[in-house]
Amino acid sequence: KQEVTQIPAALSVPEGENLVLNCSFTDSAIYNLQWFRQDPGKGLTSLLLIQSSQREQTSGRLNASLDKSSGRSTLYIAASQPGDSATYLCAVKNDYKLSFGAGTTVTVRA
Amino acid sequence: DAGVIQSPRHEVTEMGQEVTLRCKPISGHDYLFWYRQTMMRGLELLIYFNNNVPIDDSGMPEDRFSAKMPNASFSTLKIQPSEPRDSAVYFCASSLLGNYEQYFGPGTRLTVT
Repeated sequence: KQEVTQIPAALSVPEGENLVLNCSFTDSAIYNLQWFRQDPGKGLTSLLLIQSSQREQTSGRLNASLDKSSGRSTLYIAASQPGDSATYLCAVKNDYKLSFGAGTTVTVRA
Repeated sequence: DAGVIQSPRHEVTEMGQEVTLRCKPISGHDYLFWYRQTMMRGLELLIYFNNNVPIDDSGMPEDRFSAKMPNASFSTLKIQPSEPRDSAVYFCASSLLGNYEQYFGPGTRLTVT
């Protein structure tokens, strides 16, 4: 069974600092990996999707890397802003099914 | 497209009552997924459909839970009878193909008292 771990569970940084969120998974036979953002009481917003054949994916201030062989992914958020405060979830796909980590709750202080 | 639509957004019911949650996937998407999110267990896949056919229901917690997809634009998740431990946020998601990006609905927050 796929196990997904996200470290740290919570993170608080001053505005402008770069964020580094980590995700690890136990079964490297994944099809893809998706990073989501979830605001309190809201649904999930997809941020980035990395196919298993890719090493990284970028969108604006967000960059996600994938090392499938070691079972790791990292989400970088450059020059953080208070609006980046949310919970970030990592999810890996095996056989059409997504397995989620518990998330990293980020607070960006103004 | 309006995205994945779920109703109701909030549901409060008493233990023992039947609860029906509804989902409309994005038009043209062949896969539909039901998830449950709790503080204790995080996000868990309950069941998914391909072309209206249930493919994997191994995540459905008990026989009290059932899901149907009578057509390509509508799915229901039913809990009968409901129990307080069913209180959670239930999400529906859809994707064009099985291993493509999944798009999530806003969720239904269920409270069973």
